[in-house]
Amino acid sequence: AQKVTQAQTEISVVEKEDVTLDCVYETRDTTYYLFWYKQPPSGELVFLIRRNSFDEQNEISGRYSWNFQKSTSSFNFTITASQVVDSAVYFCALKEEFQGAQKLVFGQGTRLTINP
Amino acid sequence: GAVVSQHPSWVICKSGTSVKIECRSLDFQATTMFWYRQFPKQSLMLMATSNEGSKATYEQGVEKDKFLINHASLTLSTLTVTSAHPEDSSFYICSARGWGHSNQPQHFGDGTRLSIL
Repeated sequence: AQKVTQAQTEISVVEKEDVTLDCVYETRDTTYYLFWYKQPPSGELVFLIRRNSFDEQNEISGRYSWNFQKSTSSFNFTITASQVVDSAVYFCALKEEFQGAQKLVFGQGTRLTINP
Repeated sequence: GAVVSQHPSWVICKSGTSVKIECRSLDFQATTMFWYRQFPKQSLMLMATSNEGSKATYEQGVEKDKFLINHASLTLSTLTVTSAHPEDSSFYICSARGWGHSNQPQHFGDGTRLSIL
């Protein structure tokens, strides 16, 4: 069965520090998609990135960057020069396809607190 | 981008009440909608997947008679929590995906906080 592990339950850093959120996944599918979502205190899920299993290029979007390593089944997320507004719970997710259902499997989430 | 509206945002009601939550896709036709539940400080757990015009597929351990899902149109799915009890208090989130968008991200609603007294 597919599984997503975010080993870091909570991270707390001071503003302007860089921080990396880890995500390790398990899947037997050869084609799969990985996602990161941000959930601020208000509760809504904000889509950050989607990556398919055939594209191992790292991606950078402003202060956000993602490192996809298929060899270690990891899809880590780095925020550089963190800001207080980055405080949220971040979820890594894997889209599995089981009997055509294409379900999203979420990790447990990492609660990130950026202190001023 | 695609917008999914969820209503209501907050519900507080007495034990034994049935509560209906609506999930609407505002600018696309959602052939598939998903309902998730999130307990405090926990992850999102998929409850059921609904395809327009057909019965929902429930995840293991989710009572279909308690959580009634209707997806009668391409823009609306509803989740009814029947005879709700305090243990049903949770954050419920829907997401939607359009036709031909199987490889696109699901678009999430803003969630509904349900508190059963």
